[in-house]
Amino acid sequence: QVQLVQSGAEVKKPGASVKVSCKASGYTLTDYYIHWVRQAPGQGLEWMGWIKPKSGGTNYAQNFQGRVTMTRDTSISTAYMELSSLRSDDTAVYYCARDASGTTSGDSFDYWGQGTLVTVSS
Amino acid sequence: SYELTQPLSVSVALGQTARITCGGNNLGSKNVHWYQQKPGQAPVLVIYRDINRPSGIPERFSGSNSGNTATLTISRAQAGDEADYYCQVWDSSTVVFGGGTKLTVL
Repeated sequence: QVQLVQSGAEVKKPGASVKVSCKASGYTLTDYYIHWVRQAPGQGLEWMGWIKPKSGGTNYAQNFQGRVTMTRDTSISTAYMELSSLRSDDTAVYYCARDASGTTSGDSFDYWGQGTLVTVSS
Repeated sequence: SYELTQPLSVSVALGQTARITCGGNNLGSKNVHWYQQKPGQAPVLVIYRDINRPSGIPERFSGSNSGNTATLTISRAQAGDEADYYCQVWDSSTVVFGGGTKLTVL
């Protein structure tokens, strides 16, 4: 069965960076785009961008451009999201999710990781 | 930028029908997807491309989309349907989520 398993919770100081991993199983990572979505405490869902694991191509939401980097390691079926220059308002649960459309983006998110809580605090 | 508007909350009596709306400019021309999120859990896709149910989602969940409004309908509401619901579309290569609606089953 398809699973996306994310790395554990992180606590970071303001100005630091965090890197969250998302390991895919039950399918081939390179066959589907991976998106990253975050959710601040008590708030809604916010899309951060996607990575096309086959090529490494990315598309970042404007709000995160310059601070986010999405990468992948196909040899271990894992996608990564790194967010830099962390601020207190980056405290959120970060999710990876698979784009249902396969080798193109633009569809729904059919599988989600369990989420990774990132806390930014001095 | 494109915006999706959802009511903050919707209440429904047990066993009755709940309707959650999602509004946006010319929304009927886009594919709308719906997610259910229970406290402490990741979102789950319940409707994709306006009207389609993923496997494992009860037939009680249905969707529609026309004009400027998409609607998620939950028939015979159960206590287990109590959750936050989000609509989502693509606009200009960007993903947009609605603000979310909290469904309360009374």
